[in-house]
Amino acid sequence: DTEVTQTPKHLVMGMTNKKSLKCEQHMGHRAMYWYKQKAKKPPELMFVYSYEKLSINESVPSRFSPECPNSSLLNLHLHALQPEDSALYLCASSQDPSPTTYEQYFGPGTRLTVT
Amino acid sequence: QKEVEQNSGPLSVPEGAIASLNCTYSDRGSQSFFWYRQYSGKSPELIMSIYSNGDKEDGRFTAQLNKASQYVSLLIRDSQPSDSATYLCAVGVYGGSQGNLIFGKGTKLSVKP
Repeated sequence: DTEVTQTPKHLVMGMTNKKSLKCEQHMGHRAMYWYKQKAKKPPELMFVYSYEKLSINESVPSRFSPECPNSSLLNLHLHALQPEDSALYLCASSQDPSPTTYEQYFGPGTRLTVT
Repeated sequence: QKEVEQNSGPLSVPEGAIASLNCTYSDRGSQSFFWYRQYSGKSPELIMSIYSNGDKEDGRFTAQLNKASQYVSLLIRDSQPSDSATYLCAVGVYGGSQGNLIFGKGTKLSVKP
């Protein structure tokens, strides 16, 4: 089973709100990822957690704050977002972060709209 | 700058034909190559991975890798309207102690009944 789940499916928030996106996988994967995808563009990497530790932060603004409470869960905390942050937010996981295998499996995504 | 290039399309093929999707990459040290299918409004779905030169077949899909030419392709035989989607090529690259995926911009495939 290669299932990654994400909640909520849709989120509308104002620029002063605080919200969180959640991601869960039960495949025993040790690497988890957050991507942002705008319309007609490829996914853009935001963060990588490797063995529950943040290993890559692709210069993402501090209004996005990731958290990995345990090996199965990944959160993305949102605060003071801008309308241009509206996008599809994708969570992915892979067996491990080794350079020899990168089969990443994506969740269904959260469609975020910032008003 | 490590890059992955794909024709954006749209690529239009009739039902039952072979669809051929191509991808080139700049990092000669890349070891892993992936094709994802993404339907409009949905998330990417991994359909093929390939690590060695040559062909890899899975049902109607065949991935082809030529590391010398830095070229990877995806063939879809007996194309169906349900294959209409954007196909993303992704390449694994080294980044310090671990790696990352670099995505191409995707090729939009349209299969006409």
